[in-house]
Amino acid sequence: EVQLVESGGVVVRPGGSLRLSCAASGFTLEDYTMHWIRQVPGKGLEWVSLISWSGRSTYYVDSVKGRFTISRDDRQNSLYLQMNSLTIDDSAFYYCAKVGRPQVIGPPDSWGRGTLVTVSS
Amino acid sequence: QSVLTQPPSISAAPGQRVTISCSGRTSNIGNNIVSWYQQLPGTAPKVVIYDNNKRPSGIPDRFSGSKSATSATLVITGLQPGDEADYYCGTWDSSLTAYVFGSGTKVTI
Repeated sequence: EVQLVESGGVVVRPGGSLRLSCAASGFTLEDYTMHWIRQVPGKGLEWVSLISWSGRSTYYVDSVKGRFTISRDDRQNSLYLQMNSLTIDDSAFYYCAKVGRPQVIGPPDSWGRGTLVTVSS
Repeated sequence: QSVLTQPPSISAAPGQRVTISCSGRTSNIGNNIVSWYQQLPGTAPKVVIYDNNKRPSGIPDRFSGSKSATSATLVITGLQPGDEADYYCGTWDSSLTAYVFGSGTKVTI
């Protein structure tokens, strides 16, 4: 069974940094493109970033370019999101998700339960 | 403001049919596959339709999807109380080089 468990969400001050982790199990992480998606409580979904199965391709939503970095450690079965220069607008639940097919850049399929990031002074 | 446009809310009685539209442009829906996600209150989203019209295992055939040009549609027939949720469409946008979601539709039964 596919399991994705996010962690690392805390309260952080504006301008601060945070690294989110996503522990993957039940599938071979190195074969799958992975996404980060966020959602302000009570609002809609916003895609944040993806990293291809090889790690060679990464994409970001414009609002986080230059501040967030997605990475993966397939040996540790983990996905990461390094978040720098955080602003209040980055406060949200952050979900990691895997795509449905191996070795393609595709849409999110299986999602974790999310971790809450709160940026507040 | 979302790249993909959905109606904010739809209300229907049990047993009825609802149609949720998702309107985009050539760079997103027109040239890429569409997925639909169901988000029950307090839970993470779950895919109910992928590749425009395919259902994952475990999703009842009351859920169906279609795509035409720059629009996609999710149809739910025989509405049940457990279908009350927020529904989002999603697809890749080749111009933005980003995955985009619709604004979401709240289905109330």
